[in-house]
Amino acid sequence: DAEITQSPRHKITETGRQVTLACHQTWNHNNMFWYRQDLGHGLRLIHYSYGVQDTNKGEVSDGYSVSRSNTEDLPLTLESAASSQTSVYFCASSVAGENIQYFGAGTRLSVL
Amino acid sequence: RKEVEQDPGPFNVPEGATVAFNCTYSNSASQSFFWYRQDCRKEPKLLMSVYSSGNEDGRFTAQLNRASQYISLLIRDSKLSDSATYLCVVNRNTGGFKTIFGAGTRLFVKA
Repeated sequence: DAEITQSPRHKITETGRQVTLACHQTWNHNNMFWYRQDLGHGLRLIHYSYGVQDTNKGEVSDGYSVSRSNTEDLPLTLESAASSQTSVYFCASSVAGENIQYFGAGTRLSVL
Repeated sequence: RKEVEQDPGPFNVPEGATVAFNCTYSNSASQSFFWYRQDCRKEPKLLMSVYSSGNEDGRFTAQLNRASQYISLLIRDSKLSDSATYLCVVNRNTGGFKTIFGAGTRLFVKA
């Protein structure tokens, strides 16, 4: 079955370290998204991509970057991890032109 | 003010009860609407789309009121397994395509 997978599922890191979270989907979806979810804020969009070599900033993009070198993957990099980036991160994908997003199981990141 | 607002709850209801949630949105250019369900420590999953004519799926009914800018979700005959957080999702295509998630309404169904 096609799916969307995130790795690692849990990560503990130290402030100042570079961290990369992986997202891989096998649906051949053009659109991919990264969100963070914190209590009281719901899901907030970090970055998104509508296709290979396309990346766009979301509402909370500072301190994060993404790259889209193929259809299947959209890795999220925290350039220099900060304690404020402790959160649960969800990757999602959707078919081009459709609004329904399908989510990965999430990565729980703690920055100490 | 948030663009999409939901009552965070929690709503505590007995099994078999009927419960309704509302979600208000502030941008009149919003075009499509959905309800997602999120179980504790899990990913959000699509529950149902919300159409202008309303949408019913078993015990769940979703409605859209464009004039008052809100969507609703009605759950009849609540089951223990309905306990979850329900997220309202709004899409618009002005100022760039944007999907906005509400912060969610927590529901606890008790035996």
